[in-house]
Amino acid sequence: EAQVTQNPRYLITVTGKKLTVTCSQNMNHEYMSWYRQDPGLGLRQIYYSMNVEVTDKGDVPEGYKVSRKEKRNFPLILESPSPNQTSLYFCASRPTGGLGLEQYFGPGTRLTVT
Amino acid sequence: AQSVTQLDSQVPVFEEAPVELRCNYSSSVSVYLFWYVQYPNQGLQLLLKYLSGSTLVKGINGFEAEFNKSQTSFHLRKPSVHISDTAEYFCAVSVPGGGNKLTFGTGTQLKVEL
Repeated sequence: EAQVTQNPRYLITVTGKKLTVTCSQNMNHEYMSWYRQDPGLGLRQIYYSMNVEVTDKGDVPEGYKVSRKEKRNFPLILESPSPNQTSLYFCASRPTGGLGLEQYFGPGTRLTVT
Repeated sequence: AQSVTQLDSQVPVFEEAPVELRCNYSSSVSVYLFWYVQYPNQGLQLLLKYLSGSTLVKGINGFEAEFNKSQTSFHLRKPSVHISDTAEYFCAVSVPGGGNKLTFGTGTQLKVEL
């Protein structure tokens, strides 16, 4: 089954404790992206990657890091989480090329930073 | 830069009634337009998209949307809703050649009541 998976689905952590949220897709997509969803703000892009070893900042990159060493994986790293990073996080992927191709979303990771 | 406005944060409607969820966008260039649905505790799923051509676009689950360039709108409609349509709906825009970036609206919570 074609899908985007994220782990963990739920995470409660404390301020300053480094964490990684994994994202993996099995559709051989070149493009991957991370979003955060906050009430009243919709989804905002954190980082994206056009292909292996190619990443760039989205609209709200502060406090986050990413890496793209393999095509299928795009982990999101919070080196020193803070309470304002409490949010619902989504990973998405799509193939590049073509017109208006659909992005496929993972099920989300709900992060709480205390 | 492009932006999306969803003026209605919540829309209550009775089952079998028609519904319209409003979406307006702003862009200095041509755009691609999307509607995504998020069911409780799930990721986002594409409902429909407008790339070019016919301004009336039909999607899954009986939804349709009409692109109106002069009013810069892309409203989502369904003639008769079901309880199972209760979800959050997001309008999104991307720009051709814009690096695959999706800009989302703030979402509309559709609540279908008996």
